[in-house]
Amino acid sequence: EVKLVESGGGLVKPGGSLKLSCAASGFTFSSYAMSWVRQTPEKRLEWVASISSGGSTYYPDSVKGRFTISRDNARNILYLQMSSLRSEDTAMYYCAREGFTLDYWGQGTTLTVSS
Amino acid sequence: QIVLSQSPAILSASPGEKVTMTCRASSSVSYMHWYQQKPGSSPKPWIYATSNLASGVPARFSGSGSGTSYSLTISRVEAEDAATYYCQQWSSNPRTFGGGTKLEIK
Repeated sequence: EVKLVESGGGLVKPGGSLKLSCAASGFTFSSYAMSWVRQTPEKRLEWVASISSGGSTYYPDSVKGRFTISRDNARNILYLQMSSLRSEDTAMYYCAREGFTLDYWGQGTTLTVSS
Repeated sequence: QIVLSQSPAILSASPGEKVTMTCRASSSVSYMHWYQQKPGSSPKPWIYATSNLASGVPARFSGSGSGTSYSLTISRVEAEDAATYYCQQWSSNPRTFGGGTKLEIK
């Protein structure tokens, strides 16, 4: 059974940093591209970052230079390092496996950016 | 970036009705994905590459479209279909989602 479990969310002050983790199991993690997607309090879904099986990374302009996606294939863990956080980064953060589509999603971890 | 506009924002239907929701792209995309989300749950893949049903999706669902206009149709709505449906494109970066259509069952 494919399982994705996010952790690391919390309350952070504007300008702060945080690192999210996503533990993967039930599939050959190293063979799949992975993504982070967030859902804002208004329920809007936003793509945040992707990493290919080979380690190439992709970001939208809204987080480029502030967020870094990485993976540890030996431990089957996906990461999202976030810095220079802003109030508009407040959201539920999901990790998702990329198949033909985002075919498996975790349950999410919540980030709140507030002073 | 490609903006996806979903309509209607809220769709109210009675069981047994046929319903269609639309996703329009600001530029042509090669295909569209759809996700279903129920309150308190993560999005689930529902239709991929425009017309392919994800595993476990009932056959009453179908998807179609091309270019800038895509749709999701339910031939006969059931109570369990109440959810928000999001379209998504990844023909070009950044990958974008529509704002969602919330399906309510009367």
